[in-house]
Amino acid sequence: AQSVTQLGSHVSVSEGALVLLRCNYSSSVPPYLFWYVQYPNQGLQLLLKYTSAATLVKGINGFEAEFKKSETSFHLTKPSAHMSDAAEYFCAVSGTGTASKLTFGTGTRLQVTL
Amino acid sequence: KAGVTQTPRYLIKTRGQQVTLSCSPISGHRSVSWYQQTPGQGLQFLFEYFSETQRNKGNFPGRFSGRQFSNSRSEMNVSTLELGDSALYLCASSPQTSGPLEQYFGPGTRLTVT
Repeated sequence: AQSVTQLGSHVSVSEGALVLLRCNYSSSVPPYLFWYVQYPNQGLQLLLKYTSAATLVKGINGFEAEFKKSETSFHLTKPSAHMSDAAEYFCAVSGTGTASKLTFGTGTRLQVTL
Repeated sequence: KAGVTQTPRYLIKTRGQQVTLSCSPISGHRSVSWYQQTPGQGLQFLFEYFSETQRNKGNFPGRFSGRQFSNSRSEMNVSTLELGDSALYLCASSPQTSGPLEQYFGPGTRLTVT
């Protein structure tokens, strides 16, 4: 079974500092990996996805993630945090084929302070 | 294009009642998935429909059911509501017929069971 583990349920950074949100995956086959963001009282918004085309994936709002097979990781980064980045972030994994579904991590709440 | 819409946004029901939630996918999307989000269990996959057929199902009791109509709109039903069914129910649509599920989420329906 595929799964993802997000390390750290809460992360706090200063505005302008590097954002690093950790995600490790477990999959017996090459996975598809995603990062979603959820703002309060809203649904999930796709930040970026990895589908094996390139190991460094650039997403929206200045976020990027690097797929590292040797470390089974897909960490999300942003060079400079902005107050508007405060939200909950979810890593997710999907298999391939018509029966695939998204399996989410437990989420990391990002706090950005002045 | 209009995004995924879910109705109603908020709902309060009593234990033992049943409830029906509605989801309209993005135009042209034929796959609709449902997820339950709770503080304790996080985001959990309920089921996915494609072309009016349930294509994938999560690990939920039979009280949870769904269907999809010919216009791709979907409904989910929960019968004999329990307090533990209080959650945010998210609907997501996808344009793909197979492969990585790039899912687009609606704002959710917040169900409170008293």
